[in-house]
Amino acid sequence: GNSVTQMEGPVTLSEEAFLTINCTYTATGYPSLFWYVQYPGEGLQLLLKATKADDKGSNKGFEATYRKETTSFHLEKGSVQVSDSAVYFCALGKSNTGKLIFGQGTTLQVKP
Amino acid sequence: GAVVSQHPSRVICKSGTSVKIECRSLDFQATTMFWYRQFPKKSLMLMATSNEGSKATYEQGVEKDKFLINHASLTLSTLTVTSAHPEDSSFYICSANWLGSALGYGYTFGSGTRLTVV
Repeated sequence: GNSVTQMEGPVTLSEEAFLTINCTYTATGYPSLFWYVQYPGEGLQLLLKATKADDKGSNKGFEATYRKETTSFHLEKGSVQVSDSAVYFCALGKSNTGKLIFGQGTTLQVKP
Repeated sequence: GAVVSQHPSRVICKSGTSVKIECRSLDFQATTMFWYRQFPKKSLMLMATSNEGSKATYEQGVEKDKFLINHASLTLSTLTVTSAHPEDSSFYICSANWLGSALGYGYTFGSGTRLTVV
């Protein structure tokens, strides 16, 4: 079946540090991959997405590349800010079902 | 574009009562909406897929009679938690998928509803 695995959190970084949050997936066919961010007490916001192999999604300094050979979609940012503190969810979606399958979420805490 | 409004954002109810949560697509038509439940410090669990004009499709382990879903129009889906108990306290989030010619398909989430049953 389809599944998403994220690295365990919480991840604690100092401001301006480099961020990597690992995400790997198992899926049949060719899913789309997403990163969502959830700030405390709020719903989910789409951060970036990639719809096919080797696509790179990017937004607000965050990037992730769809790697079919390693079934990965790791999230990276070169220099994190305190305002990036949130929970990050990796997800895969199949257009034929419309369902999203989420990873367990990784809490990022950035300290000044 | 592709905005989903969820209401209420917070609700406190007494044990045994029912609570209705609304999910509206504001600027697009959503033939399909999804309802998720999120436990503290946990991921989102898909509860059901809401289809306009037909019965919802529930995920395994989700009680259909407990969580009533109605999708009467292309812009509104409702989740009713019936005879709520403290263990139903959770964060409920809806989402809708949309098809854009330029961007392919995507998902937009509501802001969530924090339900507390006392």
